Amino acid sequence: DQQVKQNSPSLSVQEGRISILNCDYTNSMFDYFLWYKKYPAEGPTFLISISSIKDKNEDGRFTVFLNKSAKHLSLHIVPSQPGDSAVYFCAARPNTGTASKLTFGTGTRLQVTL
Amino acid sequence: SAVISQKPSRDICQRGTSLTIQCQVDSQVTMMFWYRQQPGQSLTLIATANQGSEATYESGFVIDKFPISRPNLTFSTLTVSNMSPEDSSIYLCSVGEREKLFFGSGTQLSVL
Repeated sequence: DQQVKQNSPSLSVQEGRISILNCDYTNSMFDYFLWYKKYPAEGPTFLISISSIKDKNEDGRFTVFLNKSAKHLSLHIVPSQPGDSAVYFCAARPNTGTASKLTFGTGTRLQVTL
Repeated sequence: SAVISQKPSRDICQRGTSLTIQCQVDSQVTMMFWYRQQPGQSLTLIATANQGSEATYESGFVIDKFPISRPNLTFSTLTVSNMSPEDSSIYLCSVGEREKLFFGSGTQLSVL
């Protein structure tokens, strides 16, 4: 049972445009959400997170939106840059969980083209 | 954030053999975690490596197949035993800080 779903395995965006990566979850106990970025031959690196008490968190070019009623979150990257080309993982954990209890999605491969 | 060094970065192994992956952290951490990412799949927690006690394994993972050592607060090893092609994956060491996980660079394992 995939509790965190990233239904788009890949996404291609032109440099300078907005990239929108989507993530859906089914477990209503999840209350903390994270995005990780992974380059080939490297481990995932933490990008941005959001608590369920918020609906938006912004960090530079990266913004995460949370819609709890729809159990949906999205990562916006604007403007997109070629260096953003990577696999992006959405992750979530329940309010009683520790960092180790993160549940990950299958990832979306973002390609930013010139 | 902690700096996590993992080795080997990749290996190609024969069926039936075992591989031990090492993970070194630059600071003392209470818990270290081992994840697996099979091709096209999400990251799955294998076990939590506790210093001074046995590792805690997630459902579907057993100590005989994935023995773990945690001799001190900065080091852990994961062994993939009696390998089969189904064990071909990326294996990742990680540590938790507050609500976030930080990962090593991973070990790309291919089993022939």
